[in-house]
Amino acid sequence: KAGVTQTPRYLIKTRGQQVTLSCSPISGHRSVSWYQQTPGQGLQFLFEYFSETQRNKGNFPGRFSGRQFSNSRSEMNVSTLELGDSALYLCASSLGPWTGQRKLFFGSGTQLSVL
Amino acid sequence: GESVGLHLPTLSVQEGDNSIINCAYSNSASDYFIWYKQESGKGPQFIIDIRSNMDKRQGQRVTVLLNKTVKHLSLQIAATQPGDSAVYFCAENISSGANSKLTFGKGITLSVRP
Repeated sequence: KAGVTQTPRYLIKTRGQQVTLSCSPISGHRSVSWYQQTPGQGLQFLFEYFSETQRNKGNFPGRFSGRQFSNSRSEMNVSTLELGDSALYLCASSLGPWTGQRKLFFGSGTQLSVL
Repeated sequence: GESVGLHLPTLSVQEGDNSIINCAYSNSASDYFIWYKQESGKGPQFIIDIRSNMDKRQGQRVTVLLNKTVKHLSLQIAATQPGDSAVYFCAENISSGANSKLTFGKGITLSVRP
């Protein structure tokens, strides 16, 4: 069974641009969560999608958005990039959003650098 | 802010020794806990989990202990190997109605000396 796939692996953007990251979950997993990882802040929860609906959202500005498609694949978008958005963006999938299905499986992440 | 924290940022152990990584959590409503291992250039990898109705759970060379009285979680690695060198994260799940969220600690680096 293939794992969580994230594309692209690396991205370099400049301030003010926007970026879209893609995530394909493990087959059969319907929940997709996104995390931002930086050396200083660790893993910060961005949002979670289940059945094409955002179920939960972290404390990030509205520049960060996401969506989920009917095949459970998900994308996240960051508009008007800032230098502080440079981070590793991790996608994780799970069977569902409830406690018994909360075991997350992570992709390798997209390393975003904003210049 | 994060409710899950780790006592030490780094841990250095001799190959073959047992490792103990500790984690404190502050939310007594947390009902599920997971330990993850992250190697350089990779995403976090699931190690072991435990529900709040359990005190101990064992896996292959790893044991997780949960002490709800003092809100403490620990990961024990037996016979630590060089391949165990990585950053370890504890995570707690808090359920609120139909929603739940997994919150991660900052991470601790385990370094295995040959």
